[in-house]
Amino acid sequence: QVQLVESGGGVVQPGRSLRLSCAASGFSFSSYAIHWVRQAPGKGLEWVALISYDGRNKYYADSVKGRFTISRDNSKNTLYLQMNSLRAEDTAVYYCARGSYDVSGYYYVDYWGQGTLVSVSS
Amino acid sequence: QSVLTQPPSASGTPGQRVTISCSGSSSDIGSNTVNWYQQLPGTAPKLLIYTNNRRPSGVPDRFSGSKSGTSASLAISGLQSEDEADYYCASWDDSLNGVFGGGTKLTVL
Repeated sequence: QVQLVESGGGVVQPGRSLRLSCAASGFSFSSYAIHWVRQAPGKGLEWVALISYDGRNKYYADSVKGRFTISRDNSKNTLYLQMNSLRAEDTAVYYCARGSYDVSGYYYVDYWGQGTLVSVSS
Repeated sequence: QSVLTQPPSASGTPGQRVTISCSGSSSDIGSNTVNWYQQLPGTAPKLLIYTNNRRPSGVPDRFSGSKSGTSASLAISGLQSEDEADYYCASWDDSLNGVFGGGTKLTVL
């Protein structure tokens, strides 16, 4: 079955960096675009970034543009999120999630990982 | 502040029908499809409705979605206690960025 397992979260000081990973299994990883979505404590979902199936195209939310970098290694079935210049407002559970197309060609996010908590605090 | 607008809370008694609205604009819902996610306490979001009104396998037909113009709605009929959760609508904007609603907390009285 489809599995997405995030790791790399933890407590980090403001201004420092952290790299998250998302290990995928149960599907052909190299055929799917993957997203990062975050959720601050007690808050709603916020889309963070998207990378195309081949890694060529990347899209970012304005709130992280220039600080976060999404990447993937299809040979390792792994997605990454490099987070630099972290701020208190980046504190959240970070989920990786798979994108799919329905029979009509419309795009949606179907499977989500369990998330990893990033806490930015001095 | 979320791009899509949802009521922060909704409630109903067992067996009732409840609807949750989601309002956007011409650059997101108006030109893209809408998906709905259910998030039970302490768990990851789960896909409930995709492409406006399609249900993934395993989702009961008590859940249905619709879209009209720049708005969408999720309907839950035959409300059950296990439906108590947060519900999020989601779409895309013209820059291919994902957009979410702020979430609606559903309480089963």
